Amino acid sequence: DAGVIQSPRHEVTEMGQEVTLRCKPISGHDYLFWYRQTMMRGLELLIYFNNNVPIDDSGMPEDRFSAKMPNASFSTLKIQPSEPRDSAVYFCASSLEGWNTGELFFGEGSRLTVL
Amino acid sequence: GESVGLHLPTLSVQEGDNSIINCAYSNSASDYFIWYKQESGKGPQFIIDIRSNMDKRQGQRVTVLLNKTVKHLSLQIAATQPGDSAVYFCAENGAAGNKLTFGGGTRVLVKP
Repeated sequence: DAGVIQSPRHEVTEMGQEVTLRCKPISGHDYLFWYRQTMMRGLELLIYFNNNVPIDDSGMPEDRFSAKMPNASFSTLKIQPSEPRDSAVYFCASSLEGWNTGELFFGEGSRLTVL
Repeated sequence: GESVGLHLPTLSVQEGDNSIINCAYSNSASDYFIWYKQESGKGPQFIIDIRSNMDKRQGQRVTVLLNKTVKHLSLQIAATQPGDSAVYFCAENGAAGNKLTFGGGTRVLVKP
């Protein structure tokens, strides 16, 4: 398996623009997670899905952020409008059994810079 | 692609020596702990996990120790190699509504 695939790897955009980050989880994994990593706050969970259904989005910073999982092999994280403070590395991860019984497999991340 | 902070605690280790990375976790109700390794420009990678009914678990060149009394977790790496240079994160499952919460990380630098 190719692992979790994220795109784009790098995105530079201007404040106010819409940003869409994409993720393809490992086939067969029922859980998908979106994390954000910054120098100040470390790794933060934004939202996670189980069987394509959003379970907990309490980590999503504000209404400018939204995530979807239309099918088992694809998820998007959208920021509209983007702001400079959204600059971070966004990771997607998937797992077979969630947190308590298995490891999370992370993608290589999407580095977002908002100017 | 640097993806973690510049002000992380740093452990410098001579190649071939053993490394010990420490982590204080926050929630006494946490019952599952994981160590992750993150190399520059990559996502975190699972190393080893341990449940609260154990106090020690060994993998290949790595050992995790859990001390529930003082809420302390450590990762020992035997015969540290240049490829072990990375940032290491501990994670616990009980700190935020049973979600996996990551610690701040420790940077390990292996000197040849």
